[in-house]
Amino acid sequence: KQEVTQIPAALSVPEGENLVLNCSFTDSAIYNLQWFRQDPGKGLTSLLLIQSSQREQTSGRLNASLDKSSGRSTLYIAASQPGDSATYLCAVGPNSGYALNFGKGTSLLVTP
Amino acid sequence: AAGVIQSPRHLIKEKRETATLKCYPIPRHDTVYWYQQGPGQDPQFLISFYEKMQSDKGSIPDRFSAQQFSDYHSELNMSSLELGDSALYFCASSLRGVKNTEAFFGQGTRLTVV
Repeated sequence: KQEVTQIPAALSVPEGENLVLNCSFTDSAIYNLQWFRQDPGKGLTSLLLIQSSQREQTSGRLNASLDKSSGRSTLYIAASQPGDSATYLCAVGPNSGYALNFGKGTSLLVTP
Repeated sequence: AAGVIQSPRHLIKEKRETATLKCYPIPRHDTVYWYQQGPGQDPQFLISFYEKMQSDKGSIPDRFSAQQFSDYHSELNMSSLELGDSALYFCASSLRGVKNTEAFFGQGTRLTVV
């Protein structure tokens, strides 16, 4: 069974800092990997999708990398802002089956 | 751009009652997924449908059933509700026929069982 782990569980940084969120997975036979943002009690907003054949994807201040062989992905947030405060979840899509396997998320707080 | 629409947004039911959650996927998306997220938990996969057929099954209780209709909308039916069923229920959709497609989630239905 695919196990997805996110480190750290919580992170607090001052505004303007660059930061890295980590995601690791145990089974490298993945279809894709998606990073989501979730505000408290709200839905999941897709941030970036990395295909299994890709190494990284960028969107604005966000950059996600994927090292499938080592079972790792990172989400890099540049010049963090208070509006970035949310929980960030990574989810792995398997080669077989349809279910995304989620990590427990990293709760990010960016202080002014 | 159209997103995944879920209704209702909030639902309060008593124990042993039934509930029906609805999901309208993004137009032309052929795959629908249902997830349950308990308080402080990560989303847990319940069930998915591809082209109106069940495609995968996760930790969905026997008291729950779901289907996808000809217009691709999906309904999650929950019977004999228990207090532990209180959670956020998410629906997501994707275009599975295209490789490496992105899953888009709705805003969720918050179910409270009292």
